[in-house]
Amino acid sequence: AQKVTQAQTEISVVEKEDVTLDCVYETRDTTYYLFWYKQPPSGELVFLIRRNSFDEQNEISGRYSWNFQKSTSSFNFTITASQVVDSAVYFCALSDPDNYGQNFVFGPGTRLSVLP
Amino acid sequence: NAGVTQTPKFQVLKTGQSMTLQCAQDMNHEYMSWYRQDPGMGLRLIHYSVGAGITDQGEVPNGYNVSRSTTEDFPLRLLSAAPSQTSVYFCASSYEAGGNYEQYFGPGTRLTVT
Repeated sequence: AQKVTQAQTEISVVEKEDVTLDCVYETRDTTYYLFWYKQPPSGELVFLIRRNSFDEQNEISGRYSWNFQKSTSSFNFTITASQVVDSAVYFCALSDPDNYGQNFVFGPGTRLSVLP
Repeated sequence: NAGVTQTPKFQVLKTGQSMTLQCAQDMNHEYMSWYRQDPGMGLRLIHYSVGAGITDQGEVPNGYNVSRSTTEDFPLRLLSAAPSQTSVYFCASSYEAGGNYEQYFGPGTRLTVT
């Protein structure tokens, strides 16, 4: 069975600090997809990134970066120079190609508070 | 495009009542799903559909029914509401592009069962 663990329930940082959100996953599939979503206080879910299991290249998008390591089954998310607007709950998720990629498994989320 | 829309935004039900949560998408996506979000548990898949007339169960299907008669609509029915179904419900649609699937989520429906 697939599983996603986000061990950090809540994190608080002061603005401009860097912060890393951890995500560890379990799957028996050799092909799978990993995702990060942001849920701001308004409640909607915002897609941040998708990564395929066969692409271990790390990615940077502005202040966001992702570190995918298959050897440790981790897909960590770093925010550089955090801002108050980054305050949200962040979810890591995993899916596989079976069932047309619809079988998503979400982690419990990490609540990030960025203090001014 | 409106994307994925859900109605109602809020709903209060009494135990035993039935209701339907509506979900519609205008992106011509083949795939649609329903999730529930409970505190500390992330989102859990209830039911999903891979096309009109085709549905399947997710992780927590008990107490919920779905059908998909058109590509655009994917309603979720609660036949006899229970307090355990108090949750925030999200509908999502997605499409396949080169083996990748990206979910587009609706704004959610907050349901309280008393």
